[in-house]
Amino acid sequence: GAVVSQHPSRVICKSGTSVKIECRSLDFQATTMFWYRQFPKQSLMLMATSNEGSKATYEQGVEKDKFLINHASLTLSTLTVTSAHPEDSSFYICSARGGQQAFFGQGTRLTVV
Amino acid sequence: EDQVTQSPEALRLQEGESSSLNCSYTVSGLRGLFWYRQDPGKGPEFLFTLYSAGEEKEKERLKATLTKKESFLHITAPKPEDSATYLCAVWVTSGGYQKVTFGTGTKLQVIP
Repeated sequence: GAVVSQHPSRVICKSGTSVKIECRSLDFQATTMFWYRQFPKQSLMLMATSNEGSKATYEQGVEKDKFLINHASLTLSTLTVTSAHPEDSSFYICSARGGQQAFFGQGTRLTVV
Repeated sequence: EDQVTQSPEALRLQEGESSSLNCSYTVSGLRGLFWYRQDPGKGPEFLFTLYSAGEEKEKERLKATLTKKESFLHITAPKPEDSATYLCAVWVTSGGYQKVTFGTGTKLQVIP
């Protein structure tokens, strides 16, 4: 299947700093990428949908200014958690749509201390 | 509002004991339904996409089916390595906007 690479896999940052997570589709062009957040023992919660070259569409309750999404090319989308706080600690996963399927990155475990 | 409900929440099977997982959905503009497998601490691994009622897909011991209101993931003669959380997700489009909504998953444990 298609490969989606997410980096970093783990990151620990201090409260108040910003963290950038990258999501790359390695062998296909992804016009649409999805960003999810997953709390322990819970399902994936869609945060936003991004289309290449346009602004991301955020789900209700997701702060646009806190979770900055950029989808500058057909193979790269980034999620920046700005001014991170401990409550932002979570597992973040990106997904890239390739044709009629959606493939996932490995996820990023963010810990804010 | 789109809703996706999976049952049971957890399932414990003996090795070789076949069973089915259920994914019920209430959505408008269904484009497709995905099944994924997720191991702890990892991203979901794609299994199947189903597009229309009556469609079936198979992969090894897994078979996915779709009706207008639900999907089933049948596991035949499971093995311990099939233990994982199985997620279904609906892909909907509406007015050019697309969205993938996940169910809460079924945690499967297969005992040797």
